[in-house]
Amino acid sequence: ETGVTQTPRHLVMGMTNKKSLKCEQHLGHNAMYWYKQSAKKPLELMFVYSLEERVENNSVPSRFSPECPNSSHLFLHLHTLQPEDSALYLCASSQVKLVGVDEQYFGPGTRLTVT
Amino acid sequence: AQTVTQSQPEMSVQEAETVTLSCTYDTSESDYYLFWYKQPPSRQMILVIRQEAYKQQNATENRFSVNFQKAAKSFSLKISDSQLGDAAMYFCAYRSSNYGGATNKLIFGTGTLLAVQP
Repeated sequence: ETGVTQTPRHLVMGMTNKKSLKCEQHLGHNAMYWYKQSAKKPLELMFVYSLEERVENNSVPSRFSPECPNSSHLFLHLHTLQPEDSALYLCASSQVKLVGVDEQYFGPGTRLTVT
Repeated sequence: AQTVTQSQPEMSVQEAETVTLSCTYDTSESDYYLFWYKQPPSRQMILVIRQEAYKQQNATENRFSVNFQKAAKSFSLKISDSQLGDAAMYFCAYRSSNYGGATNKLIFGTGTLLAVQP
């Protein structure tokens, strides 16, 4: 596997289910991100893990819970979701540097449908 | 807070022709980075080109070039000799030059869907 991988690619879940999205990066990066992509809206950053620091977007509901056990793996735990949470969830990684810009590499995304 | 605006939801171009996608942004920062990302249907988002705000010279990558107008806060993407494989959603994005935490985040526009006609 190369780059950033995400599983599953598609997920359908009921509002009472609990599921997890998985992301793995094979690039040796030190930062990982979760973005939400909804139709006709800008991509929205949900969570950042950068240099072992977790940064949250305060508008993300608590029914989304991230976990980053190490620098290569990132999870998004989902519980009691709402239909409006249906979207494409993108994972990204980058090598954050003190000087200069880091390029974010994206995974293929998980298409989530909440019924 | 920074914002990115793409005013063209959809664009179409004939194969081998040139097309320009528009992007404007708002920021109070003087140093930052701008990006164009491409997201083909059902495929991964990839970086097309980037521009450092402190550089006056416009970035180019093969058939892709930008027109960066810092004073006007404009960052358009020009695709020359368009190919069928260029058909995709194109996103303009902004990133602060500050280091650490949420400042690493990319702020995206809503995207422009580009169709390439054979």
